[in-house]
Amino acid sequence: AQSVTQLDSQVPVFEEAPVELRCNYSSSVSVYLFWYVQYPNQGLQLLLKYLSGSTLVKGINGFEAEFNKSQTSFHLRKPSVHISDTAEYFCAVTLLTQGGSEKLVFGKGTKLTVNP
Amino acid sequence: SQTIHQWPATLVQPVGSPLSLECTVEGTSNPNLYWYRQAAGRGLQLLFYSVGIGQISSEVPQNLSASRPQDRQFILSSKKLLLSDSGFYLCAWTRDTEAFFGQGTRLTVV
Repeated sequence: AQSVTQLDSQVPVFEEAPVELRCNYSSSVSVYLFWYVQYPNQGLQLLLKYLSGSTLVKGINGFEAEFNKSQTSFHLRKPSVHISDTAEYFCAVTLLTQGGSEKLVFGKGTKLTVNP
Repeated sequence: SQTIHQWPATLVQPVGSPLSLECTVEGTSNPNLYWYRQAAGRGLQLLFYSVGIGQISSEVPQNLSASRPQDRQFILSSKKLLLSDSGFYLCAWTRDTEAFFGQGTRLTVV
């Protein structure tokens, strides 16, 4: 089955600490990988995406993610978080269907809470 | 520029009533269209996606249906709502590699 797994539903951290939000996907075909952020009472915003090329992808707000094909992972990292990073983060994968079309599938999300 | 319109923003409906949520996209042609439901602790659940007019793929068995009568119009429907249909519904479109989301509809079934 093709799916996206976010291993942590909630991640509490202190301000200025590093953070890693984990994402694994299961797929036997080439995929595109994304991280989206949803701030409280707002819509979804694209943080970063991996299409091809360099496995280390830099996004907005100081976030970056590394595509690891052998481990089928796309973990999101930030070396020093701010209070304003408190939000829900979604990992997503564009998968190829049997008919050749693409569909976008999301993980269940990780709530990041940054405490002072 | 491309935009996506989703309405209504909020909706309160009694159990057993019908539902119709509409989503339209502007500024692009032949987009892939999606309906998601966002529920606490369950993330964004893909309900339906469409790669063209009249082409609908259903991801989960449920009380809902979707239709795409025009290239840039995607409708989520139900004949009889259940309490469990309450949630936050998001329409999205993709082209190439990026997704763009509507502002969502908060549906409360009472």
